[in-house]
Amino acid sequence: EVQLVESGGGLVQPGGSLRLSCAASGFILNNYAMHWFRQAPGKGLEHVSTTYSKGGTTYYANSVRGRFTISRDNSENTLYLQMGSLRTEDMAVYYCARDVGGADYWGQGTLVTVSS
Amino acid sequence: DVVMTQSPLSLPVTLGQPASISCRSSQSLVHSDGNTYLNWFQQRPGQSPRRLIYKVSNRDSGVPDRFSGSGSGTDFTLKISRVEAEDVGVYYCMQGTHWPRTVFGQGTKLEIK
Repeated sequence: EVQLVESGGGLVQPGGSLRLSCAASGFILNNYAMHWFRQAPGKGLEHVSTTYSKGGTTYYANSVRGRFTISRDNSENTLYLQMGSLRTEDMAVYYCARDVGGADYWGQGTLVTVSS
Repeated sequence: DVVMTQSPLSLPVTLGQPASISCRSSQSLVHSDGNTYLNWFQQRPGQSPRRLIYKVSNRDSGVPDRFSGSGSGTDFTLKISRVEAEDVGVYYCMQGTHWPRTVFGQGTKLEIK
């Protein structure tokens, strides 16, 4: 059974950093492109970042480029999102998702709160 | 950039009645490989999004057959033949053709009248 479990969210001050994790099970992470999406409170879904399969090309939304880094640890079957220079507008639930024809499996999400 | 526009944004429906949501893209979603990567997602209150439909009209495993997707090019539709109470939530279309930039529609909130 495919499962994605995010962790690492929490309260951080503006300008701070946080690393999100997405533990995958039921499939080999390295064989799939993976996404991070986010959803601000009461808002819609926003694409944050993508890493191609087998550790190839990465993509970032304009709003996070230069501040966030997506990576994966194939030995741990885990996807990461390193977030830096956090802003209040980054406050959201962050979801990881596998890409098979477009985000077929999602995790339950982890909440990031940016506040002083 | 591709823009995805859904309508309506709010959809009150009587139980047992049909519902329809439209999604239009600012560019054709036909990929160079011949496929059209238009997906539909359901997000129930307090839950993660769940994919219902992929490549315009293919239902994901476990999705009831009252859900159907159709369309081509830039115009797409999600239909629910008979709305049930468990269908309450927000529905999003998403384009995956113009990779890797994944774009969602604004969402349509379905509620029971």
